Amino acid sequence: DGGITQSPKYLFRKEGQNVTLSCEQNLNHDAMYWYRQDPGQGLRLIYYSQIVNDFQKGDIAEGYSVSREKKESFPLTVTSAQKNPTAFYLCASSTGQMNTEAFFGQGTRLTVV
Amino acid sequence: QKEVEQDPGPLSVPEGAIVSLNCTYSNSAFQYFMWYRQYSRKGPELLMYTYSSGNKEDGRFTAQVDKSSKYISLFIRDSQPSDSATYLCAMSEDSSASKIIFGSGTRLSIRP
Repeated sequence: DGGITQSPKYLFRKEGQNVTLSCEQNLNHDAMYWYRQDPGQGLRLIYYSQIVNDFQKGDIAEGYSVSREKKESFPLTVTSAQKNPTAFYLCASSTGQMNTEAFFGQGTRLTVV
Repeated sequence: QKEVEQDPGPLSVPEGAIVSLNCTYSNSAFQYFMWYRQYSRKGPELLMYTYSSGNKEDGRFTAQVDKSSKYISLFIRDSQPSDSATYLCAMSEDSSASKIIFGSGTRLSIRP
């Protein structure tokens, strides 16, 4: 089955620690995205990548970092510089070719303890 | 003012009712309009996708776009308990998925 896999589903982090969220897709999509979802707010774009070895900041990139070394993988690191990291994180992908449809993973809920 | 405004609900209706979900927006350059459905603790899935103004129907779902009023709607006919979810409107100026602006979502509950 083609799709997007995010892991882990739940993640707990101590303050001051970096943590990496995994996102893998087997849809052969060029573009991948990371969103953050908070209660009462729409999805906000953190980073996106249109092609391997290239990525761009979204609206709320501060305190986050990404890499895109492989087409299938787009991991997100939440650094200690992120002031309020507790949220639901969603990874998505699209063909990137004049196609606005984004396919989403099942999300990772990160809680800072 | 947010670019996209969506009533958060919750909205509770009896099974079989017609549901109307709405969003307003301020950016007249938006041309692509989408509705996503998100079940609890899951990722959103695309329900409807419309370009520019007009109606689009898919089974029990109808999406309407009124660009003159900057208003979009999603209608659900013969609503089912399985339709209980959060519905997110989304829109974009161009076809790039990196430019999508999402509404905050409306939580819908269908009572059996």
